[in-house]
Amino acid sequence: GESVGLHLPTLSVQEGDNSIINCAYSNSASDYFIWYKQESGKGPQFIIDIRSNMDKRQGQRVTVLLNKTVKHLSLQIAATQPGDSAVYFCAERRANDYKLSFGAGTTVTVRA
Amino acid sequence: GAGVSQSPSNKVTEKGKDVELRCDPISGHTALYWYRQSLGQGLEFLIYFQGNSAPDKSGLPSDRFSAERTGGSVSTLTIQRTQQEDSAVYLCASSLGGTSGGAYNEQFFGPGTRLTVL
Repeated sequence: GESVGLHLPTLSVQEGDNSIINCAYSNSASDYFIWYKQESGKGPQFIIDIRSNMDKRQGQRVTVLLNKTVKHLSLQIAATQPGDSAVYFCAERRANDYKLSFGAGTTVTVRA
Repeated sequence: GAGVSQSPSNKVTEKGKDVELRCDPISGHTALYWYRQSLGQGLEFLIYFQGNSAPDKSGLPSDRFSAERTGGSVSTLTIQRTQQEDSAVYLCASSLGGTSGGAYNEQFFGPGTRLTVL
């Protein structure tokens, strides 16, 4: 079936290093791929999205890369900070559809 | 501006009781969603509202679950005859909606209601 999933459930990163969070997807019909961040006790928060006709998009300290050939999505966080500790979810959506399909999440822990 | 609010933040109930969970979306957001998040899991879509109508109820796990939205604003999710497997965090989100572009990509989530069924 169609699904969005993550390569690794946990990631430990030294403060100041760059983080790379990976996501594999199987639905080649998806038009958008989105990253959300969920801090403990809070609801998920939108980080960045990318359309399927793009391969890279940059935001503030974050970059999303999309490789449609291998159906792989990644989120890169530059100069990781303690406040980046959270669970990160990738999600996908098809155009003209309101529904997001979320993966299981990767827990990122930043070491001081 | 106020974000999405949900109440109660925590609810402990006994098996077989009914519960109502409330969501106040961001003013002006026409789209409203309910999700369920079990411990350590991703988000499971439950239902979507556009205005007061719910064109997609496909994610509701059983007929014990229902939801309504009034005045294009507040929404309530009702679970009847609760079961232990209903224990989870119930998240509400809202967005501007619209049919073009990435309008549905950015959903604004509330803090959730943690439901525990004993």
